[in-house]
Amino acid sequence: AQSVSQHNHHVILSEAASLELGCNYSYGGTVNLFWYVQYPGQHLQLLLKYFSGDPLVKGIKGFEAEFIKSKFSFNLRKPSVQWSDTAEYFCAVNARSGNTGKLIFGQGTTLQVKP
Amino acid sequence: DSGVTQTPKHLITATGQRVTLRCSPRSGDLSVYWYQQSLDQGLQFLIQYYNGEERAKGNILERFSAQQFPDLHSELNLSSLELGDSALYFCASSRTGGTVDTQYFGPGTRLTVL
Repeated sequence: AQSVSQHNHHVILSEAASLELGCNYSYGGTVNLFWYVQYPGQHLQLLLKYFSGDPLVKGIKGFEAEFIKSKFSFNLRKPSVQWSDTAEYFCAVNARSGNTGKLIFGQGTTLQVKP
Repeated sequence: DSGVTQTPKHLITATGQRVTLRCSPRSGDLSVYWYQQSLDQGLQFLIQYYNGEERAKGNILERFSAQQFPDLHSELNLSSLELGDSALYFCASSRTGGTVDTQYFGPGTRLTVL
C-alpha cells in the first residue's frame, strides 16, 4: 500500500529564512507527486505537481520541489519565506498504475513564520 | 475560489443521526472525490466518482455512502453518526478522474457530532 511521510510536523521560521519540508513516499511503482497548501480557514490549494520530466518543479509563490527517485523523496523548498506563508503544507502521491486520481496524503506540516 | 462548492459549511448534530453533505464540482469536471480530515487520521481519501459511476474506494466506513447525480453534483451520506466522525469533509473535482489530473478542492464541511 502507498504511504506518505512528512518528517516535520511543526516548523517555526523567521521571515527571510529558507524553508525545506521533507516528504518521502512508499510505493514501488511510478507516481505523480503533489504539494498542497492550506491557509488558515481556507481550502487546499495546489502549490506544485510532478508528473514526469525535469525533477525540479517550480510552483506558485516562489515554491519549488525536487523529485529524487532513488530516495523516494519530493522535498518542498523556498529560499526566503514570508509571514503570509504561514499555513499547513501537505505532500500527496497518486499511483499511475490505477485509473484513478485518488491522492494519498502525508500528515501535514504546520509552518509558522514569525514577522 | 477553486470553483468547487460544498454545503453546508458547518453541521452540528447528535450521535446516531444521519446527515448529507453536498458537493458541486467545477464546471466541466466529471470526477468528484471525497476526503475526510481529522486530527488523528489526517487527510484520508474516502471515495471517487466519475460521471455517475464509482471509480475508487478508500477508507470509507460502511455507515457512509455516496453518489454522483446526472448533473454531476455529489452527495456524501453519513449515518449512525459517532463522536469519531467529527471531522472536516472535503470534496474535490477533476476533469477526467485519471492519474494525470489535478484535483481542485472545495472549502469543506465541518461536521461536529455531539
